[in-house]
Amino acid sequence: EDQVTQSPEALRLQEGESSSLNCSYTVSGLRGLFWYRQDPGKGPEFLFTLYSAGEEKEKERLKATLTKKESFLHITAPKPEDSATYLCAVQVTGTASKLTFGTGTRLQVTL
Amino acid sequence: DTGVSQDPRHKITKRGQNVTFRCDPISEHNRLYWYRQTLGQGPEFLTYFQNEAQLEKSRLLSDRFSAERPKGSFSTLEIQRTEQGDSAMYLCASGSADTQYFGPGTRLTVL
Repeated sequence: EDQVTQSPEALRLQEGESSSLNCSYTVSGLRGLFWYRQDPGKGPEFLFTLYSAGEEKEKERLKATLTKKESFLHITAPKPEDSATYLCAVQVTGTASKLTFGTGTRLQVTL
Repeated sequence: DTGVSQDPRHKITKRGQNVTFRCDPISEHNRLYWYRQTLGQGPEFLTYFQNEAQLEKSRLLSDRFSAERPKGSFSTLEIQRTEQGDSAMYLCASGSADTQYFGPGTRLTVL
């Protein structure tokens, strides 16, 4: 069965303190790995899709990387507005449908 | 705004009642997805449409749940004889094989 595990469950950073969130996955075959940001009471906001090991994508202070077993979301010099839950999801080869999500990492960035 | 919209945003119902939710996808997207999210968890896949055809259903989608997408436009999700365990955020997404954009969700509370 496809599994996605995110760590840590929660992370508290000071403004400007860079860190990384981890997403490890076990799938029969990976078609794509997705990162989303979710604010409380709202739907997930799409950030990135990664397809192959070694691929990297960046958006403002966020950079996502992918290996054969895990993905990292690096946050450089975070600001309080980066506080949110970050969700990782996998899409399996041979399907172009469902995403299987992890439980997310709750990030809080303080002044 | 041309994002995914959902209606209603909040629904409170009594156990045993039927409820129906609506999703209006981004107009050019032929793929539409329904997910359910409970507190502290990532979204769980319920069902997927390509145009008007329902191509995949999760085991989570019991016989009390039904979804339709007439004419390949908006979609409805109906829950019959609601139970307290149905309380959750119901999320709709639309997109391509490579992206899924989520709506704001409908929060269901079953008393």
